[in-house]
Amino acid sequence: AQKITQTQPGMFVQEKEAVTLDCTYDTSDQSYGLFWYKQPSSGEMIFLIYQGSYDEQNATEGRYSLNFQKARKSANLVISASQLGDSAMYFCAMREGVNSGGSNYKLTFGKGTLLTVNP
Amino acid sequence: KAGVTQTPRYLIKTRGQQVTLSCSPISGHRSVSWYQQTPGQGLQFLFEYFSETQRNKGNFPGRFSGRQFSNSRSEMNVSTLELGDSALYLCASSLQRGPGETQYFGPGTRLLVL
Repeated sequence: AQKITQTQPGMFVQEKEAVTLDCTYDTSDQSYGLFWYKQPSSGEMIFLIYQGSYDEQNATEGRYSLNFQKARKSANLVISASQLGDSAMYFCAMREGVNSGGSNYKLTFGKGTLLTVNP
Repeated sequence: KAGVTQTPRYLIKTRGQQVTLSCSPISGHRSVSWYQQTPGQGLQFLFEYFSETQRNKGNFPGRFSGRQFSNSRSEMNVSTLELGDSALYLCASSLQRGPGETQYFGPGTRLLVL
């Protein structure tokens, strides 16, 4: 079974509008972390935002926010006021066992969503 | 502060050859992880090193190996290259201070096997 599912292979959004990228995850761990990364065509993975499984508030970082619904096992990324430079692949990733003495730094990634921002 | 650097950025090899890729983590970061990215399989975890010890390994054949040096720099080696090894190889480093520790990625090495 897929541990991270991103159901939208591609998304289009108009500049200055908000967009939500979906991510659902599957884990039996109680402690885990969820990450979103952006990958422009250059290839480098850029960290955007992190949400811990025990965090009570949704994470926010500038124009990025994470809509965390633990019971539904979803961690959707919301980008407000889209900009042309936001056009890229976006990956949701999970790190399980975050309280295992810090010994697990493996990230499991989804297949990604290609976001295109139209002027 | 300099980011994660990877060398070389591009590489062309032929089947049967071997290749060594290098990764220099962010200064002070002791954990280095490697990932393979292909269009078909997506991003897959290869292995993770901390203080010169391999702590985690992904589901890859023994042709894929790595090591970490005392200065935290890491290398990965692929022997007897196959066409399917063509991929973007990404290295990531982290401080390893807590549960929410973020991995910071380098620009990657694009390997083409002919």
